[in-house]
Amino acid sequence: AAGVIQSPRHLIKEKRETATLKCYPIPRHDTVYWYQQGPGQDPQFLISFYEKMQSDKGSIPDRFSAQQFSDYHSELNMSSLELGDSALYFCASSSSGVHYEQYFGPGTRLTVT
Amino acid sequence: AQTVTQSQPEMSVQEAETVTLSCTYDTSESDYYLFWYKQPPSRQMILVIRQEAYKQQNATENRFSVNFQKAAKSFSLKISDSQLGDAAMYFCAYRSDGTNAGKSTFGDGTTLTVKP
Repeated sequence: AAGVIQSPRHLIKEKRETATLKCYPIPRHDTVYWYQQGPGQDPQFLISFYEKMQSDKGSIPDRFSAQQFSDYHSELNMSSLELGDSALYFCASSSSGVHYEQYFGPGTRLTVT
Repeated sequence: AQTVTQSQPEMSVQEAETVTLSCTYDTSESDYYLFWYKQPPSRQMILVIRQEAYKQQNATENRFSVNFQKAAKSFSLKISDSQLGDAAMYFCAYRSDGTNAGKSTFGDGTTLTVKP
């Protein structure tokens, strides 16, 4: 079965650079979520989109922005990167009609040097 | 806001024995879902088991079962016949139901070590 796809899987950036993370949800899933997991921490919700509209917002820095496109894929744009942004970024997807399932992608490991 | 608490940062179990991981949560909602996720060293988030709050029957998935106590807001995971491959970080998570079903809220995690 198709799973959530994230690209790239690994990314190394320098401070003050920008990064773009991409997420391709499971086919027919209309909702996408972004989470940030720092070293030794639990995943923290950043932002979510339903039918290309922002549906919820968590602890996402103002330096970050995201959107969902017409094909339901989503991109997380991160600017003015800081060392503290180094983390594993998960994307998850779900179908609005099936509330009990949320599938996670493999994550993008971002390292800021 | 919902909170999820895992009071055991680390647990250890002998191979083939049984271990229980604890989780409590706080919510004012009546309809929700609870999950246990396994995160091995690869850091992939793997769903272990799910419980719907409206179901009184505890969920089971092979060697994994839960003890869901809605009134006490407790949701523990029991792993029977522990295997070396069960070693991982385990996260308890809460997710609202309803028309605004959305983000998952995670506990801090429990690192499970399985001793041969």
